[in-house]
Amino acid sequence: GAGVSQSPSNKVTEKGKDVELRCDPISGHTALYWYRQRLGQGLEFLIYFQGNSAPDKSGLPSDRFSAERTGESVSTLTIQRTQQEDSAVYLCASSLEARATGELFFGEGSRLTVL
Amino acid sequence: GNSVTQMEGPVTLSEEAFLTINCTYTATGYPSLFWYVQYPGEGLQLLLKATKADDKGSNKGFEATYRKETTSFHLEKGSVQVSDSAVYFCALGGSGYSTLTFGKGTMLLVSP
Repeated sequence: GAGVSQSPSNKVTEKGKDVELRCDPISGHTALYWYRQRLGQGLEFLIYFQGNSAPDKSGLPSDRFSAERTGESVSTLTIQRTQQEDSAVYLCASSLEARATGELFFGEGSRLTVL
Repeated sequence: GNSVTQMEGPVTLSEEAFLTINCTYTATGYPSLFWYVQYPGEGLQLLLKATKADDKGSNKGFEATYRKETTSFHLEKGSVQVSDSAVYFCALGGSGYSTLTFGKGTMLLVSP
């Protein structure tokens, strides 16, 4: 597609439920990134993929968070047993490759609200 | 570790005023520095970048100079417009870094 696409754009869920957030990167971009943006905070790095591998998972806040990428394309971020502190905008970005020019192309984000 | 510190907002200006948004960084190695902008309802997009010390990045009337001696990358514009109202993020990364490290963002509000 023309840009990075994320879905859903908004998700309201109850505490304890699982959620899946999807990211479609720009075609041909081998690197894909997930960030979290809490209200009033900066962008918090979660995980990145080079191809289908995740060399750096250091930003995942807990074992309730996981992510996968298939076909060097779509990625899914899964949050199990959601907590209220998981409420945030989850941003996905892609780039031609990691460790390159550093320019990331962002989607509009998925806003998650945990009640 | 790597970190980016930006001035807190919101920054409120009248149209045609001069803009400065301060950004300082701490990094291992020799990062590239970036300014990203997020307009209301849109995703972040790259505004400008500089890849080495003393480089000046510029775009859309904005500019920033990579100052290694002061570890700074302040964003400036000589005359802001209402359409510049957005959130501005300073970031470091690039070659040798697996991802970008962002500051907290600074909201700019420009009134007519």
